[in-house]
Amino acid sequence: SAVISQKPSRDICQRGTSLTIQCQVDSQVTMMFWYRQQPGQSLTLIATANQGSEATYESGFVIDKFPISRPNLTFSTLTVSNMSPEDSSIYLCSVDEGVLNEQFFGPGTRLTVL
Amino acid sequence: RKEVEQDPGPFNVPEGATVAFNCTYSNSASQSFFWYRQDCRKEPKLLMSVYSSGNEDGRFTAQLNRASQYISLLIRDSKLSDSATYLCVVPGLFGNEKLTFGTGTRLTIIP
Repeated sequence: SAVISQKPSRDICQRGTSLTIQCQVDSQVTMMFWYRQQPGQSLTLIATANQGSEATYESGFVIDKFPISRPNLTFSTLTVSNMSPEDSSIYLCSVDEGVLNEQFFGPGTRLTVL
Repeated sequence: RKEVEQDPGPFNVPEGATVAFNCTYSNSASQSFFWYRQDCRKEPKLLMSVYSSGNEDGRFTAQLNRASQYISLLIRDSKLSDSATYLCVVPGLFGNEKLTFGTGTRLTIIP
C-alpha cells in the first residue's frame, strides 16, 4: 500500500490561530480524504480532497473553517482556521487504494488548542 | 437503525481465548465491509475486507450476513498483541468511496 506521511505530527496552538496540516503520498492516488477523531471518539469524515477542483465537504464542515488544497495527485493540505479548544483532535488523511475501495491512513496530526 | 453500530465493549479476554465482535449496518446496498484495528495513539490499520459471505486470515475470521445486515469478527487463540480497538467500517450511502466508521470495540487480552 501507499506510504503516507503527515506534517506536523503534533502541535499546540493558541485560540484564534490557524494551522495547516500537510499530507504526502509516495504514489499518485485519485481519492484523498480528511478525517477528524476527537478524544475517545471514532473517525468522522471532514471532506474529500479532489484534485483540480474544490473539496467536497460533509455535513457540519465548511470550507471557511477547513479549507483544503489538492494541487496534485500526491499531496493535500487541510487548514484548521480560527481555532478554538473544541478543534482539539487528531486529524488524519487517507487514500483510497484498494480494489474494494479500502482506505489507508497517514499517521495523524495531534492538535491541541489552548 | 444507525449507519454502523458495534458492540461497545470493553472486552477483557484471557490470552488464548476466542472472542467475537458484532456490527450491524443500515445500508442494505453496501457491498464490501472492513474491519480496522487501531492501537492507542495510532492511526487505524486495515485488518480485513469482507465482500462475500466471509473471509479468513490466520486467526481472524470475518463473516457477513446480508439478510440480517451484520458482520462479525472472530479472533481465535488471542494474543496479548491483539489488544486494540477494532473498528467496523461500512461504505457510505452515496458510493463506496465514503466510509462510515463504527465507534469501535475495545479489546484487552489479559495474560
